[in-house]
Amino acid sequence: SQTIHQWPATLVQPVGSPLSLECTVEGTSNPNLYWYRQAAGRGLQLLFYSVGIGQISSEVPQNLSASRPQDRQFILSSKKLLLSDSGFYLCAWSVPGTETQYFGPGTRLLVL
Amino acid sequence: DAKTTQPPSMDCAEGRAANLPCNHSTISGNEYVYWYRQIHSQGPQYIIHGLKNNETNEMASLIITEDRKSSTLILPHATLRDTAVYYCIVRVGLRGGADGLTFGKGTHLIIQP
Repeated sequence: SQTIHQWPATLVQPVGSPLSLECTVEGTSNPNLYWYRQAAGRGLQLLFYSVGIGQISSEVPQNLSASRPQDRQFILSSKKLLLSDSGFYLCAWSVPGTETQYFGPGTRLLVL
Repeated sequence: DAKTTQPPSMDCAEGRAANLPCNHSTISGNEYVYWYRQIHSQGPQYIIHGLKNNETNEMASLIITEDRKSSTLILPHATLRDTAVYYCIVRVGLRGGADGLTFGKGTHLIIQP
């Protein structure tokens, strides 16, 4: 069966520090991968999606970036965190050509 | 994607069936109804989806009205672990998934012991 992992589960970082969040998927090949952010009390915001290795599409301008160095690995990064980057970061995957998305457990990021 | 309307909150007694309604009166012919839920502090979880026929899986049943303007998610024997926010969304099928999901405010279902 397929599983999706995210780490770390929680993170407290100072403003201006770098960020690296990792997401890996097991049990499937060539998935579509997604990074979302969910701010407190608000809905999901799609940040990036990827349909293959090295293929990244960005949905909103921000100081975050994403990379997909391997088929089932998706990384969210920042060189300098802002206070507004605080939130719940969710990775998800889907089978290409289908609409159902499966989410990871999320990383709760607090920037102070 | 068509807009959906859900009640903001509902209560249900443990062991009873929880029936969560969703209105999607502007749904078009190629749009599916999807249900996800989000338990506090966890990632959203896919539950079920359907086009026009009723669907059932190990988690829930989905009843879609004949005119497709509304649907009901049924959790047959609710447990305390089913307390969560339930999201009903409508999406065009087979777009390849290369875009994001948009959740509304959903229904906060509270299962009472």
